[in-house]
Amino acid sequence: DTGVSQNPRHKITKRGQNVTFRCDPISEHNRLYWYRQTLGQGPEFLTYFQNEAQLEKSRLLSDRFSAERPKGSFSTLEIQRTEQGDSAMYLCASSLLQAHTQYFGPGTRLTVL
Amino acid sequence: QKEVEQDPGPLSVPEGAIVSLNCTYSNSAFQYFMWYRQYSRKGPELLMYTYSSGNKEDGRFTAQVDKSSKYISLFIRDSQPSDSATYLCAMSRGTDKLIFGTGTRLQVFP
Repeated sequence: DTGVSQNPRHKITKRGQNVTFRCDPISEHNRLYWYRQTLGQGPEFLTYFQNEAQLEKSRLLSDRFSAERPKGSFSTLEIQRTEQGDSAMYLCASSLLQAHTQYFGPGTRLTVL
Repeated sequence: QKEVEQDPGPLSVPEGAIVSLNCTYSNSAFQYFMWYRQYSRKGPELLMYTYSSGNKEDGRFTAQVDKSSKYISLFIRDSQPSDSATYLCAMSRGTDKLIFGTGTRLQVFP
C-alpha cells in the first residue's frame, strides 16, 4: 500500500492556460474524490468517481473544470482557461466501496499568475 | 451559515497540556465523523473515525460525538510539539463526500 499519489506537486501557470493534474488512488480503492482547499479553509468537495463513473459534481465545478477516470484506476482533473481564483491546493482522496473513511494524497498546489 | 462550524484558532498550549478541539454542525443527516490532521502544505491525514454518538479512544486521542447537540470533540492528552498542526473535523451522511470544518490551528510549545 503506497498511499494516494498526486502529480505534479506544484504547478505555476499563467492566467488563461490549461492545466491537468493526476491522481493515483490506493490500489483496489473503488472510489476516488477530488477536493479543493484554499488558505485557511477546509477542503471543499469537487467531484467523485465510483470506478469509472462520475457520480456527483459540486456546483463549484464550473464548465472550465473536467475530471475523468477512464479505466477506473487513476484520475485526471483538467482546468481550462485558468483564472487567479483557481489558485488553491487540489486534493485527491480514495476509499473502498463501502468504507466511510477517505485517504488523502499530498495535493497539487496550483498558483495562477 | 456553514454546515460545519469550527473555530480556526490559533490555539497555543504548553507541552503536556490536554487539548480540546470542537466542531458543531447543522445537518442531522450526518452519521459519520472524522478528524484529520494536516501539517503545513501536506494532505490531510486521518486520525479518528466514529460512527454516531459516543466516545472512541486511540492512544492519546479521544473522539466524542454528541448527536443530540450536533457537537463533536477531539481531545489530545499529553500534547507534544509534534502535534502542532491544523486539525480538521469532517463528516458525511454515508459513503459519499466529506464536509469539512475550516480547521483549527494548534501550536504546542516546549
